[in-house]
Amino acid sequence: AQKITQTQPGMFVQEKEAVTLDCTYDTSDPSYGLFWYKQPSSGEMIFLIYQGSYDQQNATEGRYSLNFQKARKSANLVISASQLGDSAMYFCAMSTLLIQGAQKLVFGQGTRLTINP
Amino acid sequence: DTAVSQTPKYLVTQMGNDKSIKCEQNLGHDTMYWYKQDSKKFLKIMFSYNNKELIINETVPNRFSPKSPDKAHLNLHINSLELGDSAVYFCASSPRDYRSIEQFFGPGTRLTVL
Repeated sequence: AQKITQTQPGMFVQEKEAVTLDCTYDTSDPSYGLFWYKQPSSGEMIFLIYQGSYDQQNATEGRYSLNFQKARKSANLVISASQLGDSAMYFCAMSTLLIQGAQKLVFGQGTRLTINP
Repeated sequence: DTAVSQTPKYLVTQMGNDKSIKCEQNLGHDTMYWYKQDSKKFLKIMFSYNNKELIINETVPNRFSPKSPDKAHLNLHINSLELGDSAVYFCASSPRDYRSIEQFFGPGTRLTVL
């Protein structure tokens, strides 16, 4: 069975500092995807970044990068130069591609990030 | 030009009632999903449909019945609502293309059962 673990329930960071949100996963599937989603206080789920299990390079999207260490089964999110608007709940998730194109996303417990001015 | 829309956004109802949540996507995606986010913010998949066919059916009470009249719509009907059904329900969709990986989420429906 797939499992995602986020061990940091909450994090507090000063504005403009870099922050790393931890995520470890467990799966026996050889092919999988790792995602990070942001959920601000308004409630919507915002896709941030994706890493495929066979991707050789770490994914980057603007200020977001995913530190993928396959042997350690970790997929940490790094946010550079944090901003007040980064304050939100962050979810790590894993998927495998099932039959007929459906993806089953399994989510971690989430980390609540607070950026202090 | 909303990609994935849900109605209603808020739903307050009494225990024992039957209610429905509607979801529509205009992205042309083949696959749609329902997720439940509980009071502790934990998100769990409930169902997935691909082109009107049920693909994923997690351990969900029979009181929950998804219905997909066409591939752009996936509605969730809940019978005999219980207090524990109070949660935020998210609809999502994704294309049938392994190279396109993002699941697009709707804004969520906050269901409160009194």
